[in-house]
Amino acid sequence: GNSVTQMEGPVTLSEEAFLTINCTYTATGYPSLFWYVQYPGEGLQLLLKATKADDKGSNKGFEATYRKETTSFHLEKGSVQVSDSAVYFCALKSGGTSYGKLTFGQGTILTVHP
Amino acid sequence: AAGVIQSPRHLIKEKRETATLKCYPIPRHDTVYWYQQGPGQDPQFLISFYEKMQSDKGSIPDRFSAQQFSDYHSELNMSSLELGDSALYFCASSLAGARTGELFFGEGSRLTVL
Repeated sequence: GNSVTQMEGPVTLSEEAFLTINCTYTATGYPSLFWYVQYPGEGLQLLLKATKADDKGSNKGFEATYRKETTSFHLEKGSVQVSDSAVYFCALKSGGTSYGKLTFGQGTILTVHP
Repeated sequence: AAGVIQSPRHLIKEKRETATLKCYPIPRHDTVYWYQQGPGQDPQFLISFYEKMQSDKGSIPDRFSAQQFSDYHSELNMSSLELGDSALYFCASSLAGARTGELFFGEGSRLTVL
């Protein structure tokens, strides 16, 4: 079955530091990959996505590249801000089933200090 | 833009009581998903509906049932509530024909069982 593994957290950084959150996956076929972000007390918001190998998703300074050879979709940001403090979830959706569900990783808590 | 609407946002119930959560998808979205997120956990898929028919089933207890109505809104019914049912329940919607198939999440309904 499908599965997503994220690096264990929590991650604590100082403002303007470089961020990497690792994500690897196991899936059949050619899944779509997503990063969702959850701010305290709020729902899940789509941060970025990639639908095929070598695609790079980007949004709000965050980037992730779909690497089929390493089955990875690591999240990066060059300079984090305090407002980036949240929980980040990597997720995949199986290809071939247009109404397929998302499978989430366990989430990584990011705390950014001034 | 219209988003996924969930109600109620907060719900407190006693053990063995019944609860009903409602979800109104983004207009023209034909697929609805329900997820359960326990404290500090990743969202777990419960059930989904496409065009008012159940399309997939996850780890939904037998005490829970759900349906999608003719106007595409969905309801999750939970009976014989247990303490362990306390969680954040997310509804998400998507358009089955959309290539990326991303899910759009509501802000969640927080159920507390006392």
